[in-house]
Amino acid sequence: DAGVIQSPRHEVTEMGQEVTLRCKPISGHNSLFWYRQTMMRGLELLIYFNNNVPIDDSGMPEDRFSAKMPNASFSTLKIQPSEPRDSAVYFCASSGALGNTIYFGEGSWLTVV
Amino acid sequence: GENVEQHPSTLSVQEGDSAVIKCTYSDSASNYFPWYKQELGKGPQLIIDIRSNVGEKKDQRIAVTLNKTAKHFSLHITETQPEDSAVYFCAASIGGSARQLTFGSGTQLTVLP
Repeated sequence: DAGVIQSPRHEVTEMGQEVTLRCKPISGHNSLFWYRQTMMRGLELLIYFNNNVPIDDSGMPEDRFSAKMPNASFSTLKIQPSEPRDSAVYFCASSGALGNTIYFGEGSWLTVV
Repeated sequence: GENVEQHPSTLSVQEGDSAVIKCTYSDSASNYFPWYKQELGKGPQLIIDIRSNVGEKKDQRIAVTLNKTAKHFSLHITETQPEDSAVYFCAASIGGSARQLTFGSGTQLTVLP
């Protein structure tokens, strides 16, 4: 299996611009997670979906962040408008129904200038 | 909610020596404890996990021990090699679900040749 696939791997954007991060989970997995990693706060869960339905979005920092999962093989995390403090690595991860193992993608490195 | 503390934040060992990383958790309901290894520029990868009905688990040079009474668990790496150099994260899950993982702050392990 190709694993969790994220795009773009790197993004540099100007403050105020919209950013869209994309994720393809492992085929057959029914749970999808978006995490943010920073030096100050470590790994934080932003939101997770189960069977394409958002279950817990309490980690989403503010209304500028939104996430969607239109089908079992695709999810997006959007930041609009972006701010410099959003600079971080954003990880998508997925897990299957039967096990607890979470598999992470390689991450999207976002820099907002 | 759950709180996971991880020590030390940095650890340097000579090649061939053992490395030990320790984590404590706060919620006695936690019963799933995975360890992740994150290499530079990559996403975290599961290396070993343990559930609360087991006190110790080994996989070649890696072992994890769990003390539920004291609410702490540890990662042991024996015969360290330079390729073991990475950031290691512990995590704990309330109710055994991957959807509720709380991560430690990470340990930067450096194996000196």
